[in-house]
Amino acid sequence: GAVVSQHPSRVICKSGTSVKIECRSLDFQATTMFWYRQFPKKSLMLMATSNEGSKATYEQGVEKDKFLINHASLTLSTLTVTSAHPEDSSFYICSAGGAPVETQYFGPGTRLLVL
Amino acid sequence: SQQGEEDPQALSIQEGENATMNCSYKTSINNLQWYRQNSGRGLVHLILIRSNEREKHSGRLRVTLDTSKKSSSLLITASRAADTASYFCATEEGYQKVTFGTGTKLQVIP
Repeated sequence: GAVVSQHPSRVICKSGTSVKIECRSLDFQATTMFWYRQFPKKSLMLMATSNEGSKATYEQGVEKDKFLINHASLTLSTLTVTSAHPEDSSFYICSAGGAPVETQYFGPGTRLLVL
Repeated sequence: SQQGEEDPQALSIQEGENATMNCSYKTSINNLQWYRQNSGRGLVHLILIRSNEREKHSGRLRVTLDTSKKSSSLLITASRAADTASYFCATEEGYQKVTFGTGTKLQVIP
């Protein structure tokens, strides 16, 4: 089946630094990718919808300047957490939609810890 | 890899009928969550059931969890055309390690 990878799987960084997370669809072209965040003991929260070649659509309350999303190709979307702070520590997971568009494949997630 | 496997992969029913989707997993979990996804849209959280719970209800949704069989089911009663979507289960094991199933595509025919 289709595989979506995320890199890195976990990252620890200092407060104030920026962290880039990659989401790749390995054997299909993903026209749409979604980025989610999970807070402890909570369900996933959709952060943004990323469409190849266009600007991402952010959910209400998600700072677009804080969480930069780039979807430059049909197999890669990146999420950059800029000037990370401890409250940004979380589990970030992406999903990629191929054809048919209803099909979604999830990445394994990236655990971010900001010290 | 995704540890959750959902069954069936696709389901087509008439409006008013009940829809049942199953999810099996392999490891011990803290909780299991069900999500819905409309075509081209992001996930919407439906319900969370903890490992020490056996059944939970939310409106027309009923979720069961059998940890001995490592399986869960989602029942949608009195289905509506608007319930047409893909449904995913997700298991949380350890600390915030969430793994999604492959999804069940539900079509409710008016």
